[in-house]
Amino acid sequence: AQTVTQSQPEMSVQEAETVTLSCTYDTSESDYYLFWYKQPPSRQMILVIRQEAYKQQNATENRFSVNFQKAAKSFSLKISDSQLGDAAMYFCASPGYQGGKLIFGQGTELSVKP
Amino acid sequence: DTEVTQTPKHLVMGMTNKKSLKCEQHMGHRAMYWYKQKAKKPPELMFVYSYEKLSINESVPSRFSPECPNSSLLNLHLHALQPEDSALYLCASSQVSGGRKPQHFGDGTRLSIL
Repeated sequence: AQTVTQSQPEMSVQEAETVTLSCTYDTSESDYYLFWYKQPPSRQMILVIRQEAYKQQNATENRFSVNFQKAAKSFSLKISDSQLGDAAMYFCASPGYQGGKLIFGQGTELSVKP
Repeated sequence: DTEVTQTPKHLVMGMTNKKSLKCEQHMGHRAMYWYKQKAKKPPELMFVYSYEKLSINESVPSRFSPECPNSSLLNLHLHALQPEDSALYLCASSQVSGGRKPQHFGDGTRLSIL
């Protein structure tokens, strides 16, 4: 079965600093996508960044970037210049074998200290 | 602004009530999803509709009944729910199912069963 693992239940970062959230996954697919979603308290799930597995270049969206290590099946999220609004649950996700099913990790709760 | 609209935002119902959750998107997406989410946990997939046909049912109890009247609208009919069904119910949509396209989530309906 496909699995997505986030080993850090909670993380904390000082405002303006950089933090990296870890994610590992398991798949036998050769072509797949990986996603990071952000869910602030009591608010909607928002797509932060997407990585296509066949692309060697790491995806970047403003202050958010990924470190994609395909051989190691690792997909970490780096947040630079952390802001108070970055405080949220972050979920790593990968599509499952069944069309449409998204496999989520257990989440990492990020707090940002002023 | 959220592009997936869910109503109501909050719902309190007794175990004998019948109610419905509604989800609407106007992005032309052909795949729509229902998820159940408990606090600080990842969303759990319930149903997937692809081109208005039910394609995945994750062994959800029959007290939850999905309906997709057209490509923009998704309903979840609730009847005789149990206290453990109290949760945040998220609707999502994507261009097509299959995992290559990211899912866009609504704000959710927070459901409480008395």
